[in-house]
Amino acid sequence: DIVMTQSPDSLAVSLGERATVNCKSSQSVLYSSSNKNYLAWFQQKPGQPPKLLIYWASTRESGVPDRFSGSGSATDFTLTITSLQAEDVAVYYCQQYYRTPPTFGQGTKVEIK
Amino acid sequence: EVQLVESGGGLVQTGGSLRLSCAASGITFNNYAMSWVRQVPGKGLEWVSGISGRGEIRYYADSVRGRFTISRDNSKNTLFLQMDNLRAEDTALYYCASQPGGTGFLYYMDVWGKGTTVTVSS
Repeated sequence: DIVMTQSPDSLAVSLGERATVNCKSSQSVLYSSSNKNYLAWFQQKPGQPPKLLIYWASTRESGVPDRFSGSGSATDFTLTITSLQAEDVAVYYCQQYYRTPPTFGQGTKVEIK
Repeated sequence: EVQLVESGGGLVQTGGSLRLSCAASGITFNNYAMSWVRQVPGKGLEWVSGISGRGEIRYYADSVRGRFTISRDNSKNTLFLQMDNLRAEDTALYYCASQPGGTGFLYYMDVWGKGTTVTVSS
């Protein structure tokens, strides 16, 4: 199975500042023939299901604020929240869908400093 | 608006069975692969099982293979998970999620239901 490892496990950021979450996969999730990275990012708030933020590593889902962005390729990926808002407090997960079983990172808890 | 609504969870004894359902609306159901993902409260996400849009290909996590069976009824826009020989470690909130992959399976999970709780006790 492809192991997804996120860092840090938690971070506290001041309102309006940048938050960065990293995700590393144990093998490449870049499909060379399409040049697509099979990597998604989710946001989960307490008591709610996960919400898709980013897919193909950098494509923002419809309706997601543009302060959320994804980057990276092959084995190293980053979710960036520019100008953190109070409503962004949540746990963030990366997930690979390059190979079955689909696997998730352990999650990163983002809080307000 | 796309909506997924899970049902069928409950309290069951070790070794017992449950059948989860996920009713979909707002999508052309057979154009979407579907998955079940579970989450122990306070813990991370674990993919459990998935099925292609037409139902011809099914996938399982090692932890449930041989005990769980995924299926779908495209005429009723409904996904199922038959859970047999349940164990305490199957206790979790079970979500269904849609994947816009058409006939494929390796796609992101774009819409999630609110989940149904399964509790297995001895």
